[in-house]
Amino acid sequence: NAGVTQTPKFRILKIGQSMTLQCTQDMNHNYMYWYRQDPGMGLKLIYYSVGAGITDKGEVPNGYNVSRSTTEDFPLRLELAAPSQTSVYFCASSLGLGGQPQHFGDGTRLSIL
Amino acid sequence: GDSVTQMEGPVTLSEEAFLTINCTYTATGYPSLFWYVQYPGEGLQLLLKATKADDKGSNKGFEATYRKETTSFHLEKGSVQVSDSAVYFCALSESNTGNQFYFGTGTSLTVIP
Repeated sequence: NAGVTQTPKFRILKIGQSMTLQCTQDMNHNYMYWYRQDPGMGLKLIYYSVGAGITDKGEVPNGYNVSRSTTEDFPLRLELAAPSQTSVYFCASSLGLGGQPQHFGDGTRLSIL
Repeated sequence: GDSVTQMEGPVTLSEEAFLTINCTYTATGYPSLFWYVQYPGEGLQLLLKATKADDKGSNKGFEATYRKETTSFHLEKGSVQVSDSAVYFCALSESNTGNQFYFGTGTSLTVIP
């Protein structure tokens, strides 16, 4: 029972580089989310999706892009990496019904140098 | 808008001590409430939840009661163990906001033998 799988687990980027953080879930959840967690802080929502082909901005979307071509996958794209994007990124999914919890991946630890 | 406020840490307790982590919320409708736990280097795991007023969520000796009159969802455990050392997040979700979750900033708990 894999749940939510994120790859890679760790990555170091140079300023200006781009990369895609992968997220896939095998629970047939309609709703998926991307968060970032800065040291000692809570979670901030970057983007979310309520189903394939539908995405929307969260609290901190600048510098990121997402797509949702399938129910299972929700990749997060960084186009021009900046030091301010150094963080731990979490993907989550849920059924999207009232009272249903979000299920989290183990995170991607990203450093921009 | 919706928000969650939880007590700031860090909290340090001796093994077998009583634990309370306070959480209050602001919501426009009738939210569901959650406690998540994050162990070092891992993602968030659902600890317990409550979906309506006066519900009590419980798991692994932890309990929290949904108090609508005080807009609170305090986490308690009667006797903590070293293995309970983690960061605890209070969260709410409302179905009328696309099942978005609102997280508190987290409370770090360290239990010493």
